[in-house]
Amino acid sequence: EAGVAQSPRYKIIEKRQSVAFWCNPISGHATLYWYQQILGQGPKLLIQFQNNGVVDDSQLPKDRFSAERLKGVDSTLKIQPAKLEDSAVYLCASSLAWTGYNSPLHFGNGTRLTVT
Amino acid sequence: GESVGLHLPTLSVQEGDNSIINCAYSNSASDYFIWYKQESGKGPQFIIDIRSNMDKRQGQRVTVLLNKTVKHLSLQIAATQPGDSAVYFCAESWNTGFQKLVFGTGTRLLVSP
Repeated sequence: EAGVAQSPRYKIIEKRQSVAFWCNPISGHATLYWYQQILGQGPKLLIQFQNNGVVDDSQLPKDRFSAERLKGVDSTLKIQPAKLEDSAVYLCASSLAWTGYNSPLHFGNGTRLTVT
Repeated sequence: GESVGLHLPTLSVQEGDNSIINCAYSNSASDYFIWYKQESGKGPQFIIDIRSNMDKRQGQRVTVLLNKTVKHLSLQIAATQPGDSAVYFCAESWNTGFQKLVFGTGTRLLVSP
């Protein structure tokens, strides 16, 4: 099966600019996640969608980050305006159902964001 | 690609040795645990998982052990190969109305030929 697709692969922007990331999950996967991974750390969940509804966005900095899942398939994550501390890899993942036994997360290769 | 885990704990082993990677988890309500492998420039890749009603589960060359008493998880890799070199993350999951998944800090495994 095709994996989780993400674009762009790399992005360099200046602080206060805006940026958007795109994710196409594995076909048929109902649950989609965006994670932020700062260098040297484990991934941190930003937002979780079940179909096109938000399940958990408790760690999403809502003053600057936004995300949507179009028609329960593709998703975009936007940062506006970006700060230096947003420099990280943004990972998209999907799973067949709720995270759980026999429904592991499948990750894309991420977008590496550098804010200067 | 970029390097994941520049300042992570590192385990160095020789090819053919057995590796043991340890993880302490924090939530006593966690009922599901997963190990992921992350190679440089790639997203995490599922290795093996275990439910809290088990204390051991085996896969191909990998075994996960769970000790709920001390909230400890370990990943054992048999006959470690250079291709096993990567950063390994444990993750714990618990139900809060939906299943919440939290990653721990990783361990970098370096395998020398």
